[in-house]
Amino acid sequence: DADVTQTPRNRITKTGKRIMLECSQTKGHDRMYWYRQDPGLGLRLIYYSFDVKDINKGEISDGYSVSRQAQAKFSLSLESAIPNQTALYFCATSDPTGAYGYTFGSGTRLTVV
Amino acid sequence: KNEVEQSPQNLTAQEGEFITINCSYSVGISALHWLQQHPGGGIVSLFMLSSGKKKHGRLIATINIQEKHSSLHITASHPRDSAVYICAVGSPGSARQLTFGSGTQLTVLP
Repeated sequence: DADVTQTPRNRITKTGKRIMLECSQTKGHDRMYWYRQDPGLGLRLIYYSFDVKDINKGEISDGYSVSRQAQAKFSLSLESAIPNQTALYFCATSDPTGAYGYTFGSGTRLTVV
Repeated sequence: KNEVEQSPQNLTAQEGEFITINCSYSVGISALHWLQQHPGGGIVSLFMLSSGKKKHGRLIATINIQEKHSSLHITASHPRDSAVYICAVGSPGSARQLTFGSGTQLTVLP
């Protein structure tokens, strides 16, 4: 099994629908992140969590919410999807010391029509 | 101006060539990361470095902290090296947030 698992891998949804992207990890890391990737742009941080009770907004959090259900699980929700949220979404984990780098999931390709 | 700039944006090489991808940054950092993104989309961490040089197989990463510059080298390139290579810098302090470059698309032709 992958260290960081994202579901679904691909999703097409309609404008206005609520959608949840899920992420689970077996690394035992406290820190988890959600990023968004758009063509020609670097990954941008949506939300991050340093432990179950510590959730923080990133640079592009508007229109998104998150839930840290357990140390291993971090979900991203789009409350009312809009077409400009069409993107590739990545979940990642890191250890607090920073000594071991980041581990990324395989990504979720989301299309909002 | 972006905090992390990569060059070139696109690079096509013949199999066997020596490849260099550059990354410049304008902020203080805790570490610099080189990542690889394959056509399927998944991202793999290649290197994390805060000084000097690291080598893994045919890949070499160097960083010059004073000049705020890093390079990723691929020796004896192969078509399977074709991917997007992404530079990212971690902010100082306990937060260590990553700021990403926009990536370099590498295509190695047989």
